[in-house]
Amino acid sequence: DARVTQTPRDKVTEMGQEVTMRCQPILGHNTVFWYRQTMMQGLELLAYFRNRAPLDDSGMPKDRFSAEMPDATLATLKIQPSEPRDSAVYFCASGLAGYNEQFFGPGTRLTVL
Amino acid sequence: AQTVTQSQPEMSVQEAETVTLSCTYDTSENNYYLFWYKQPPSRQMILVIRQEAYKQQNATENRFSVNFQKAAKSFSLKISDSQLGDTAMYFCAFMTARYGSRLTFGEGTQLTVNP
Repeated sequence: DARVTQTPRDKVTEMGQEVTMRCQPILGHNTVFWYRQTMMQGLELLAYFRNRAPLDDSGMPKDRFSAEMPDATLATLKIQPSEPRDSAVYFCASGLAGYNEQFFGPGTRLTVL
Repeated sequence: AQTVTQSQPEMSVQEAETVTLSCTYDTSENNYYLFWYKQPPSRQMILVIRQEAYKQQNATENRFSVNFQKAAKSFSLKISDSQLGDTAMYFCAFMTARYGSRLTFGEGTQLTVNP
């Protein structure tokens, strides 16, 4: 049963700490998306990759957020330093370019105190 | 830019009855896809149904069906024979037909199915 996995599932951290969230896309998928869900903003795209190359990261605060794909089986989203306003659920989704369906992971709930 | 609007923050329905969730969108594109996603308390995003804009026939998936009105830019979801497990947040989403495009989501509608 192929699925997107994300770790950690929940993370509580102190303001100023570095946070790293990891995503394993479905094997064979070549497009990876990072979305953030908050009560105020809803679901919004932060960044996405195709064939490991960043295509669009315009939704991401550049000064503290970074997204990478070290290899085809791993995508990472880092926040350094973290702030309370970063508290949200972060979803990773993967898909095949040319197909319209995106498969979502279970999300990482981040709480920054 | 595309926008998606869900004007019903909350809805409730009795078990076994039918409920319709509304969604409108704005776009200048002609080729696109529309989706309804379900997010139960587990927070997993689950695809419920999708509609290709070039298809005139409304999509159906078991108890779920859509009413797609392209000219009106309206895309409502009908849930028939509602079940307790249908209780969730429902998101309407838009995607252009361009290669590998992003999803733009509406604000969501919290649906509660009452026994």
